[in-house]
Amino acid sequence: GENVEQHPSTLSVQEGDSAVIKCTYSDSASNYFPWYKQELGKRPQLIIDIRSNVGEKKDQRIAVTLNKTAKHFSLHITETQPEDSAVYFCAASPYSSASKIIFGSGTRLSIRP
Amino acid sequence: DTAVSQTPKYLVTQMGNDKSIKCEQNLGHDTMYWYKQDSKKFLKIMFSYNNKELIINETVPNRFSPKSPDKAHLNLHINSLELGDSAVYFCASSQEGLADNEQFFGPGTRLTVL
Repeated sequence: GENVEQHPSTLSVQEGDSAVIKCTYSDSASNYFPWYKQELGKRPQLIIDIRSNVGEKKDQRIAVTLNKTAKHFSLHITETQPEDSAVYFCAASPYSSASKIIFGSGTRLSIRP
Repeated sequence: DTAVSQTPKYLVTQMGNDKSIKCEQNLGHDTMYWYKQDSKKFLKIMFSYNNKELIINETVPNRFSPKSPDKAHLNLHINSLELGDSAVYFCASSQEGLADNEQFFGPGTRLTVL
């Protein structure tokens, strides 16, 4: 089955700097890679996703990259702001089977003022 | 207009008791899930139901029994609660096979077993 590893487990960056979170997956059948953000005491919510026919996707200050050959994908947050502080989860699943989604272990991102 | 709702939000109970958590989604999705999030924030899938049929059961003790009376509801019943069951339990739903496979999570139920 799929195994998703996520690093680092905690990350602290200065406000305004960039943050990068990396994930690797094992199952070559996975072709859908979402990222979820969970603020303290709240539910996880989708912030961006990427499919295997795309190498990079950007949405304002957030970007995701995917290297299918190496089986790794990353989340990049630029110009970090205090509201970016949260736990971020990567995930992987076959495109047609959302029910087989596997989450990474999460990264707790803290933005220092 | 709540998309995925869970009740109760908090549940405090003694070891050995039996308790249930209810989940409902009004998104018309055909797949629903239960996740357990422990104190280290690890989000682990427990069950997945598609059109009321169980499709994933991830090595969860048989003290946990999900029940799906219809595709809009997925309830979780837990027998003989143990200290290690203390966690936040999230229900979620998604639509299988659509271009957007986003999982919509409920607000969570914080279970504390004393």
